[in-house]
Amino acid sequence: DAGVIQSPRHEVTEMGQEVTLRCKPISGHNSLFWYRQTMMRGLELLIYFNNNVPIDDSGMPEDRFSAKMPNASFSTLKIQPSEPRDSAVYFCASRPTGDEQYFGPGTRLTVT
Amino acid sequence: QQQVKQSPQSLIVQKGGISIINCAYENTAFDYFPWYQQFPGKGPALLIAIRPDVSEKKEGRFTISFNKSAKQFSLHIMDSQPGDSATYFCAASKQPGNQFYFGTGTSLTVIP
Repeated sequence: DAGVIQSPRHEVTEMGQEVTLRCKPISGHNSLFWYRQTMMRGLELLIYFNNNVPIDDSGMPEDRFSAKMPNASFSTLKIQPSEPRDSAVYFCASRPTGDEQYFGPGTRLTVT
Repeated sequence: QQQVKQSPQSLIVQKGGISIINCAYENTAFDYFPWYQQFPGKGPALLIAIRPDVSEKKEGRFTISFNKSAKQFSLHIMDSQPGDSATYFCAASKQPGNQFYFGTGTSLTVIP
């Protein structure tokens, strides 16, 4: 199994631009999580889906952030417009039935 | 509000020594306590996990000690090796949803 796949691995963009991060969960996993990691705030849960349905988006920082999961094998996290304070590493994780979450390699986002 | 408090923030240990990282929580509904290991440039990976019905779990050189009455749990790394140098995160989760609440992380450096 290839594990959780995230793209791009690195993204550099200018303030005000739209950014789309992509995630392919492990096949057969029915839950998907988006996290943001910064030095100041550590690992923060942004949103998670069960069976493609958003369950809790209370961690999404503001309306500039949105996430979708159109099918069981694909999810996107979009930031529009992006700001320098959005610079962070964004992780996607998936989970089968059970407790363990499997993390992807992350996308390092830099907004200048 | 930090649901899981982790200490220390950083730790330096000599090769062969014991590394100890501590976590504390408040919510007694938490029923799953994993430890994740993260190497630079990688996503976190599950190291070991425990449920509150046992007080200790050991896997190789890694041991979780769990104190339900004190609402604390800790990771012990015996015979620490330079390859153990990484950031370690504790977490806690509860039903329903099993979303993880992560500690702020401990950067471990094992000196040869």
